[in-house]
Formats: sequence, C-alpha cells, structure tokens
Amino acid sequence: GAVVSQHPSWVICKSGTSVKIECRSLDFQATTMFWYRQFPKQSLMLMATSNEGSKATYEQGVEKDKFLINHASLTLSTLTVTSAHPEDSSFYICSANPGLRTEAFFGQGTRLTVV
Amino acid sequence: SQQGEEDPQALSIQEGENATMNCSYKTSINNLQWYRQNSGRGLVHLILIRSNEREKHSGRLRVTLDTSKKSSSLLITASRAADTASYFCAGGGSTLGRLYFGRGTQLTVWP
Repeated sequence: GAVVSQHPSWVICKSGTSVKIECRSLDFQATTMFWYRQFPKQSLMLMATSNEGSKATYEQGVEKDKFLINHASLTLSTLTVTSAHPEDSSFYICSANPGLRTEAFFGQGTRLTVV
Repeated sequence: SQQGEEDPQALSIQEGENATMNCSYKTSINNLQWYRQNSGRGLVHLILIRSNEREKHSGRLRVTLDTSKKSSSLLITASRAADTASYFCAGGGSTLGRLYFGRGTQLTVWP
C-alpha cells in the first residue's frame, strides 16, 4: 500500500523561531502533495498544493510568506512555519495520491505547539 | 468549513447499532470521499463515490450521494467499539487529491 510519512510527529518551539515539517512518499512518487491544518475538534483546512519543481499554490487567506513550502524532489515536500507564534499552534497534515488514484493517503500529522 | 457541514457533530451509540452520518457540500464535485481519523492521528480513506453514482457499499459501509441536494450519507452497520473515531467527508474536484473537508462527526461506540 501507499505510505506517506511525516516528520516530526510533534514539535514544541519558542515564539519567533521557524519550524520545518517534512512529508515523504515512501513507496511512490508524488509530483503533487497537499498540506492541511486542523484545529482541535475541527475539520481539516486545505492550506496549499505543493508542486514538485515549481511554486506552491496557496488557498485564499493562507500567508505564503508565513508558510513556506518546498517540493524539491518527487518524494519530499516540506512546510516551514516561519516566525512562529502561539496562534500557529495546530495539527499539520500532508497528503498525496499515488499515480492516478483518487483516494488520498495522509501522513500521521505533526502537532506544533508554539510557546 | 471549506466544503460544507456534517451532522450530527457527535454521535454516541451502543455496539451493534447502526450509525448514520450526513454531509452537505457547497461546490460542485467530481467525487465525494469519506475518511476516518482516530484521535490525533492521520486520516484513513474509507470509501469514495463518484458524482455519477448514487450508492456504494464496502463491507459494513454504505454511502449515498444526492447531487441535486449536494448531500451524502455514510452508514456504518453493526457498529463496534473499534469504530470510535472522527469521520469526515471530503469533496474532490478536478484537481486530483485536492480535497475540501466537512466539519466531521465524532462517533463513539460503547461496548
């Protein structure tokens, strides 16, 4: 089966610092990956589409300078939360679709806490 | 939510009972998918129904889709305690993998 792995599973950082989250497709290549954000007991909100070799596409209202996305290879996308503040604390989760499969495979998620 | 609403937001039932969750969506879709999320974890795909389908079954799962009402329902029959989780519907459009999620239903199944 297709596996998407996220790292780290959780991270605590100080306000003002930057945090990088990795999303890897372990057994397939992904030219496109997706990043979501989830607040406690709420739904997943699509933040951006990560495109291999080109710029990410951000959803309306998502600050691209705040959430930097890099998709440098066919198996790795990274999300960097820059100058993190407590309001950035959330659960971040990525997904990818192997081949032309319509169902998405999700990473385990990363819980970010900014103190 | 970006896509729509789900109801109920929380559902508590006994093992063996059926659980029905509803989802409404706002925009046009190519497919509607249901996912399950255990607390604080990633999502697992359950079932997908395409916009030209009305009903689909997979094991104990049955999903319906009414595009005229922009709504879908997920039925879990003969529920088990292990079914306890949050369930989300997600609308898929023309961009493969780009999903818009409903608010979700927290299902609790008591043994």
